[in-house]
Amino acid sequence: DAGITQSPRHKVTETGTPVTLRCHQTENHRYMYWYRQDPGHGLRLIHYSYGVKDTDKGEVSDGYSVSRSKTEDFLLTLESATSSQTSVYFCAISSGTVHQPQHFGDGTRLSIL
Amino acid sequence: KQEVTQIPAALSVPEGENLVLNCSFTDSAIYNLQWFRQDPGKGLTSLLLIQSSQREQTSGRLNASLDKSSGRSTLYIAASQPGDSATYLCAVRSNFGNEKLTFGTGTRLTIIP
Repeated sequence: DAGITQSPRHKVTETGTPVTLRCHQTENHRYMYWYRQDPGHGLRLIHYSYGVKDTDKGEVSDGYSVSRSKTEDFLLTLESATSSQTSVYFCAISSGTVHQPQHFGDGTRLSIL
Repeated sequence: KQEVTQIPAALSVPEGENLVLNCSFTDSAIYNLQWFRQDPGKGLTSLLLIQSSQREQTSGRLNASLDKSSGRSTLYIAASQPGDSATYLCAVRSNFGNEKLTFGTGTRLTIIP
């Protein structure tokens, strides 16, 4: 299995609070991704990174920011959480080219009350 | 906009049977298609990656086929086992917006002992 660790694995918080999710990889892969999974929508890309300090938006990026200060860590921040951001969040990594597979972590279940 | 569909949403088969899971996509301009399995409360495990230039990929009892021109892929599972019970997801990597995977909503497979 790809060495991907997501933390925390579960979190419950209140509307309006800031939340940061962490993805840590031990594979030295260049690309890292954040997806969210919701019933009826499948997985959707939030943000991705193609190198240290290099990030870009996905299809559902509103309300989220990311940072990557080291190759191994990719942080997802909800500046002011809303109930619509209740979801399961997955981190994925890829070694680089479009022909390489993406490998996923075990997910973070986030509930915003 | 790429759309990925998996029908049926759920499937139950007796142990030992061979079975086929379906995936269809609307835009044939893809780099590749990836099949995953997801166990309840877990992350996604990559099963097979099939490039746009390939017709088939095999791994053990699994065989994935790709017909890019018709926008279809199938995942064939031979001699099904109770341990194959999971949700199976397909995802395509399109030529446009190629950093993201577009996922189907999955087929929940139950193998009846």
